[in-house]
Amino acid sequence: ETGVTQTPRHLVMGMTNKKSLKCEQHLGHNAMYWYKQSAKKPLELMFVYNFKEQTENNSVPSRFSPECPNSSHLFLHLHTLQPEDSALYLCASGLGVNTEAFFGQGTRLTVV
Amino acid sequence: AQKITQTQPGMFVQEKEAVTLDCTYDTSDQSYGLFWYKQPSSGEMIFLIYQGSYDEQNATEGRYSLNFQKARKSANLVISASQLGDSAMYFCAMRARGENFNKFYFGSGTKLNVKP
Repeated sequence: ETGVTQTPRHLVMGMTNKKSLKCEQHLGHNAMYWYKQSAKKPLELMFVYNFKEQTENNSVPSRFSPECPNSSHLFLHLHTLQPEDSALYLCASGLGVNTEAFFGQGTRLTVV
Repeated sequence: AQKITQTQPGMFVQEKEAVTLDCTYDTSDQSYGLFWYKQPSSGEMIFLIYQGSYDEQNATEGRYSLNFQKARKSANLVISASQLGDSAMYFCAMRARGENFNKFYFGSGTKLNVKP
């Protein structure tokens, strides 16, 4: 248990659906991240939020829409996804450069 | 630009033996942190060990140690006395000061299989 909670753990959605992934941390961290992990590919950084402000958007398609209402919560809104978006989506939080990022257990997303 | 390279896609080790997982990095920042994570088949990323760029001694955490060679820009993970539960993906990561202060860079990972 790292202190970062992701829900749901598994999600199956159709290409026309709209769903949201949720990430929550009460570790007092100021930075939160969304990563995508596809089979046989390295972790891809999607978004970074620092003190609720988005500081990084790594050329992510607009069908992925992040939201950070406060420092403890991070959402990833999904709409009109493609089958190739099926992956493990990992949320993480952290502090300064000398500290590790704490990861949630991930949401395994399948787009059908 | 920051970059992490893990050149071993897969490794095998006999139970109770030691194994070294390679990691090299590239950064122009003077202050940075190096991390190793373990990812079992369940998907969670488990933090193992951290090494700061200004740390003079190699980091150790139980059976994990980090062989930090700053001049060569390498940060290899050494796992001593391997256990069956060590079978997992292992990722090397880096975080640096500068404009990408909050950005973690991950390597492509090494899949470790511990044989009984």
